[in-house]
Amino acid sequence: ETGVTQSPTHLIKTRGQQVTLRCSSQSGHNTVSWYQQALGQGPQFIFQYYREEENGRGNFPPRFSGLQFPNYSSELNVNALELDDSALYLCASSLPTRGYNEQFFGPGTRLTVL
Amino acid sequence: AQSVSQHNHHVILSEAASLELGCNYSYGGTVNLFWYVQYPGQHLQLLLKYFSGDPLVKGIKGFEAEFIKSKFSFNLRKPSVQWSDTAEYFCAVSQTGANNLFFGTGTRLTVIP
Repeated sequence: ETGVTQSPTHLIKTRGQQVTLRCSSQSGHNTVSWYQQALGQGPQFIFQYYREEENGRGNFPPRFSGLQFPNYSSELNVNALELDDSALYLCASSLPTRGYNEQFFGPGTRLTVL
Repeated sequence: AQSVSQHNHHVILSEAASLELGCNYSYGGTVNLFWYVQYPGQHLQLLLKYFSGDPLVKGIKGFEAEFIKSKFSFNLRKPSVQWSDTAEYFCAVSQTGANNLFFGTGTRLTVIP
């Protein structure tokens, strides 16, 4: 069974640029969630994708957008990068069953905005 | 709004000491509760979870947690810690049927050999 994978591992961008982060879900999981973990904080929910549609969103502006593909992999896109976007971005996959939402996390992408 | 509080920011223990990490949440409905661990340089891993039933749940590596509904708490315990337990521990809550987890700010545990 393959776990959740993310790419790239690290990324450095400058303010105003755009970035795309990628995630492959665990085998058999049809749902992908994205979280932002700032230094010294717990992960914060950005949004979730289920069957290629956004299925819930946290308190993040529209410049954070995403996609899910037919193979359930996903992308997180961030436009007009700001210094505060520097964080670890985590992807989690799940197979929600009867309301039980156990999520499995990938290693994350460390984004630094200069 | 939902929130999760972890009151201990950094805990330092000697090996073989007992551990209890506090977690309180604010939500009045039915919840799913989780403890995740993040070892240095590794990704978040699930330690244990509570969905329903017995409020005392056992997880991996000798950890357990007790759900006390009246106190909105889900404290993590381990009778005897090891140096390898040094890590960051996160409590998380999800409304049953919801699609996202609310995380606490984490507790850093340092175990001294």
